[in-house]
Amino acid sequence: DAKTTQPPSMDCAEGRAANLPCNHSTISGNEYVYWYRQIHSQGPQYIIHGLKNNETNEMASLIITEDRKSSTLILPHATLRDTAVYYCIVRVGGSQGNLIFGKGTKLSVKP
Amino acid sequence: DTAVSQTPKYLVTQMGNDKSIKCEQNLGHDTMYWYKQDSKKFLKIMFSYNNKELIINETVPNRFSPKSPDKAHLNLHINSLELGDSAVYFCASRVESGANVLTFGAGSRLTVL
Repeated sequence: DAKTTQPPSMDCAEGRAANLPCNHSTISGNEYVYWYRQIHSQGPQYIIHGLKNNETNEMASLIITEDRKSSTLILPHATLRDTAVYYCIVRVGGSQGNLIFGKGTKLSVKP
Repeated sequence: DTAVSQTPKYLVTQMGNDKSIKCEQNLGHDTMYWYKQDSKKFLKIMFSYNNKELIINETVPNRFSPKSPDKAHLNLHINSLELGDSAVYFCASRVESGANVLTFGAGSRLTVL
């Protein structure tokens, strides 16, 4: 499985965009990039995923570089409730793709 | 309605006891999971299960056993509890053939004294 590297922590001002980077230089062609987050004491929550193209949903945008070796999760207008640990996971799809969580990035949104 | 529900939310018990944590999903998903989150906050997969196959993480002691009475339930039984079993246990589910979009439960905090 491709390994991911994320900064251990980041700060963001409330109302500003939060840009969370993830390196996955060994990603293979059939592996997707997934983002989850875990707000304190809650279960992990799916945010977004992508293969090659940039993706956007109601929660966030995912920007994947053309060589697919890195990606950025963008929360366009961070709120205090976005304070959480964000996990970037690279994995194949289907039944063989059980998610393995790393250490993630602790995002602190500050007033 | 809660999509993935776990009971109990909190469980405090003595070493050596046997306990169960129940999980139910009403999403019609095919595959269910148990994850363990220890005091250092690492989330580790323990089991994945669908109606065809149980996949066990090889690091999980055989004191832990998943039991699935039907597709909507995956219960976790733990025998001879040890101090190191103290953790938060998360149940999750997904559609088998789709992307890895898991829906997690709220977690069950187990404390072994």
